[in-house]
Amino acid sequence: QKEVEQNSGPLSVPEGAIASLNCTYSDRGSQSFFWYRQYSGKSPELIMFIYSNGDKEDGRFTAQLNKASQYVSLLIRDSQPSDSATYLCAVRAGGSQGNLIFGKGTKLSVKP
Amino acid sequence: EPEVTQTPSHQVTQMGQEVILRCVPISNHLYFYWYRQILGQKVEFLVSFYNNEISEKSEIFDDQFSVERPDGSNFTLKIRSTKLEDSAMYFCASGGPAGTPRDIQYFGAGTRLSVL
Repeated sequence: QKEVEQNSGPLSVPEGAIASLNCTYSDRGSQSFFWYRQYSGKSPELIMFIYSNGDKEDGRFTAQLNKASQYVSLLIRDSQPSDSATYLCAVRAGGSQGNLIFGKGTKLSVKP
Repeated sequence: EPEVTQTPSHQVTQMGQEVILRCVPISNHLYFYWYRQILGQKVEFLVSFYNNEISEKSEIFDDQFSVERPDGSNFTLKIRSTKLEDSAMYFCASGGPAGTPRDIQYFGAGTRLSVL
């Protein structure tokens, strides 16, 4: 059974701080990794994707991947109250049609 | 910006009734998916569809479920005889093949299914 694990939180950070979200996955053969943001009652919205070991930056967001440790993380710099949401880590299953396997999500609360 | 469109946004049905959830994927995408999310739980894969046939399905996708692409734009999920435990948010997604620049799945806004 392929699993994706996340700390459910809630993670509370003050406005302007760095929020650090972590995820581990069980399938060593996984190649594609995604972070989605989900506001309550809404659909998942893609924030970042990463395929290679190391860091990938996009604006205030940085995704980090360590395949040897089977670990993915998301850093949010200068956190804003509007960043308050649940962050879903997703790993793509094998094959070109591979479905996404989601973690339960980490709820982030950014306090003004 | 292209988006995945789902209708209806909310469907209320009686237990045992058939429901059809509809999706219009992004026009140049070839891979289509249905996921569901029971309230407070994680997003779960149901089925993937490519080249007019099911590619993969999960254990959840039993004989009560079916998918169809009846024309060049719509992608539907049918539940033949709904159960109380089918109450969930159902998301349609579309995307490109893994390992390509189109290896992204974009989600529709979802259909909230309430089975009474």
